[in-house]
Amino acid sequence: AQSVSQHNHHVILSEAASLELGCNYSYGGTVNLFWYVQYPGQHLQLLLKYFSGDPLVKGIKGFEAEFIKSKFSFNLRKPSVQWSDTAEYFCAVNPSGGYNKLIFGAGTRLAVHP
Amino acid sequence: GAGVSQSPRYKVAKRGQDVALRCDPISGHVSLFWYQQALGQGPEFLTYFQNEAQLDKSGLPSDRFFAERPEGSVSTLKIQRTQQEDSAVYLCASSFFTGHLNTEAFFGQGTRLTVV
Repeated sequence: AQSVSQHNHHVILSEAASLELGCNYSYGGTVNLFWYVQYPGQHLQLLLKYFSGDPLVKGIKGFEAEFIKSKFSFNLRKPSVQWSDTAEYFCAVNPSGGYNKLIFGAGTRLAVHP
Repeated sequence: GAGVSQSPRYKVAKRGQDVALRCDPISGHVSLFWYQQALGQGPEFLTYFQNEAQLDKSGLPSDRFFAERPEGSVSTLKIQRTQQEDSAVYLCASSFFTGHLNTEAFFGQGTRLTVV
């Protein structure tokens, strides 16, 4: 069965620290990849997406992610986090070629301390 | 410029009660999805509509769950004879369907259902 694994459930960082959140998926075919963010009390919002082309994808708020096909990974990075990045982050996969049904990971809760 | 709207935001139901959750997608969005998010988990797919046609209901956990979108816009997720394990946040998402290109799904804030 298709699945998405996020390695860390909780991450605590100080402001200005670098961030990397892991995401691996199990699906043998072509996939579209997403990172969604959910700020406290808000709805899920798209951070960035990969459909094809350059495997290094830049999203909003200084986030980026790298698709490594050989490792079935799509890790999220940010060089310097801010307190406002405190949120829950979800990696999601959609097998391409059909409608955009998403398979989500369990999420990583990030807390950034001033 | 409204986003996806869901109501109610919170619902407390007694075990065995029927509930109906409403989703107003973004105007013009053909695709509509329902997801269930249990505490501490990521959203899990329940069902998909393209206009009024329910093309995928493979994620519905039991025959107590029923979804409809009769006019291809507003959708209702109904849960009959609620059980405690139905307690979760129910998310609705919509997207502009292009036929062969996958586009971003926009999510509502969800309905938090608590079955007591």
